[in-house]
Amino acid sequence: ILNVEQSPQSLHVQEGDSTNFTCSFPSSNFYALHWYRWETAKSPEALFVMTLNGDEKKKGRISATLNTKEGYSYLYIKGSQPEDSATYLCAWVNNFNKFYFGSGTKLNVKP
Amino acid sequence: EAGVAQSPRYKIIEKRQSVAFWCNPISGHATLYWYQQILGQGPKLLIQFQNNGVVDDSQLPKDRFSAERLKGVDSTLKIQPAKLEDSAVYLCASSLQPTSGFYEQYFGPGTRLTVT
Repeated sequence: ILNVEQSPQSLHVQEGDSTNFTCSFPSSNFYALHWYRWETAKSPEALFVMTLNGDEKKKGRISATLNTKEGYSYLYIKGSQPEDSATYLCAWVNNFNKFYFGSGTKLNVKP
Repeated sequence: EAGVAQSPRYKIIEKRQSVAFWCNPISGHATLYWYQQILGQGPKLLIQFQNNGVVDDSQLPKDRFSAERLKGVDSTLKIQPAKLEDSAVYLCASSLQPTSGFYEQYFGPGTRLTVT
């Protein structure tokens, strides 16, 4: 069984709080790790594609780290805003270029 | 650049009926994916096309689901006959490069199917 797990399932924070969530994946046959943001009634949107152990990527207030040896990635949001409210999906890609998505972390940022 | 288009956005049908979904990927994108997302779960790949050829359909329930990609551009996904457990969001995505996990996927807004 190839499990990609995300935690927590949901998160409620106040505007201005910083937050982070986790994506766990198999450490063998790793090829790439994707993060997507999915706002309600919109299309999922790519945030990051990470390939190398130790990778850190940043886009505005959102950043991500990758540990392929232990099989996890963290997504951080600094100073959350209501517009950050969305479901954040990660997808592990194996060396057969097959994508396995986690079930997502639903973030709600209260003004 | 226009995004991935999908229609319809919502569909309600009774079990045993048939339904078809349409996807128009971003112009020039070689790879097209269909995903099924059941409530509370992550998107599950149903079928992947490279131009108009099938790369992976190992998780497509072929007794009731079928898909085609016309001339390597638009794609349709059909369910015939539908079951209650087919209720889900069906997402279409495309990618510029030939099949490679290094490249991000561009998603459409999805079709929410309810089977009653």
